[in-house]
Amino acid sequence: EVQLQESGPGLVKPSQSLSLTCSVTGYSITSNYWGWIRKFPGNKMEWMGYISYSGSTSYNPSLKSRISITRDTSKNQFFLQLNSVTTEDTATYYCARYIRGYNSHYFDYWGQGVMVTVSS
Amino acid sequence: DVLMTQTPVSLPVSLGGQVSISCRSSQSLVHSDGNTYLHWYLQKPGQSPQLLIYRVSNRFSGVPDRFSGSGSGTDFTLKISRVEPEDLGVYYCLQSTHFPLTFGSGTKLEIK
Repeated sequence: EVQLQESGPGLVKPSQSLSLTCSVTGYSITSNYWGWIRKFPGNKMEWMGYISYSGSTSYNPSLKSRISITRDTSKNQFFLQLNSVTTEDTATYYCARYIRGYNSHYFDYWGQGVMVTVSS
Repeated sequence: DVLMTQTPVSLPVSLGGQVSISCRSSQSLVHSDGNTYLHWYLQKPGQSPQLLIYRVSNRFSGVPDRFSGSGSGTDFTLKISRVEPEDLGVYYCLQSTHFPLTFGSGTKLEIK
């Protein structure tokens, strides 16, 4: 069974970078796509971006200048870096597998999420 | 960006009852490949979102047939019949036809 687990600091200072890791077990990240989604206080959900099986990336234009998604295939992990954070980046961050192909294009397996607070 | 408008925001329901959640998009969700990439998720309290319905009306593995999806173009509905306690939580629609992917604002299903 595919399992995803986010990890990273729960508190980040404004103007610093937020860095999270998603560890995947039961499936290789060299197949399919792997994404980051965040949920703000109050239920709003935002797709942030994803990385493909080949390492190519796609980002939400609202974040494009601040976001980077990378991976380490040897560890079967992928990573999120969000630069110059503000209090508006306070959210619960989820990683998820994105099935992309004819007749697909959805997130099926999700991690349990990690809450990140941006505060001085 | 495609705006996804979900109604209602909150939905009180009696156990055993039936409810419908609406999701409307600001533009058609029919992809150039002919498919409509509109999906439904449930986020139960303290859990991550789980996929219920993909491509409008297809139940994901293990999802009971009490859940059904319908719609086309810009207007979609999730129907839940014989509501059980495990169905409570926040429901989201997601469109992945257009870039960037966008979610609905959520509908909280709660006990009346």
